[in-house]
Amino acid sequence: GNSVTQMEGPVTLSEEAFLTINCTYTATGYPSLFWYVQYPGEGLQLLLKATKADDKGSNKGFEATYRKETTSFHLEKGSVQVSDSAVYFCALSDNQGAQKLVFGQGTRLTINP
Amino acid sequence: GAVVSQHPSWVICKSGTSVKIECRSLDFQATTMFWYRQFPKQSLMLMATSNEGSKATYEQGVEKDKFLINHASLTLSTLTVTSAHPEDSSFYICSASNAGGSANEQFFGPGTRLTVL
Repeated sequence: GNSVTQMEGPVTLSEEAFLTINCTYTATGYPSLFWYVQYPGEGLQLLLKATKADDKGSNKGFEATYRKETTSFHLEKGSVQVSDSAVYFCALSDNQGAQKLVFGQGTRLTINP
Repeated sequence: GAVVSQHPSWVICKSGTSVKIECRSLDFQATTMFWYRQFPKQSLMLMATSNEGSKATYEQGVEKDKFLINHASLTLSTLTVTSAHPEDSSFYICSASNAGGSANEQFFGPGTRLTVL
């Protein structure tokens, strides 16, 4: 079946550091890929997505490129801020039927000033 | 836009009782709603998918008689945990798909923490 594997956390960085959170997937067919973010006390929010190979999703300074050859969708940001502290989830949808999402285990990110 | 609410945000109940959790789409019509369960420091696990006016589709290993899902309108779905036991303690999250929006975008509620004593 489909699965998503994320870099284990927690991850702690200083403000303005470069961020990479690794995500790889296993899927049949051509899934869509997502990054969701969960801020403390809030629900998951879609951060960015890519629907086909070589697409780059971007939002709020975060980027991720859909790499079919390496089955990866790594999340990057050039300069993190304290407000980026949250839990980040990589997910895929198989684009079939009910469009169910399969999530990675989540990575808790803490940014220190 | 695309706001999903859940009620209650947390609940504590005695073993053997039933608990109902509501999920509402506040500013859009949701043809499909999803219910997830999240254990501490683990990922979200899909429990079931429900479409308005029809029976929910449960994932393998999820007891449909224990986790009753009703999706009676385009803005409301409920999850009832029947005869709850301590092992049912968890964080329950719902999401909703916008009937008029991107086919594979889900909007998530803030979650409900259930503690069964």
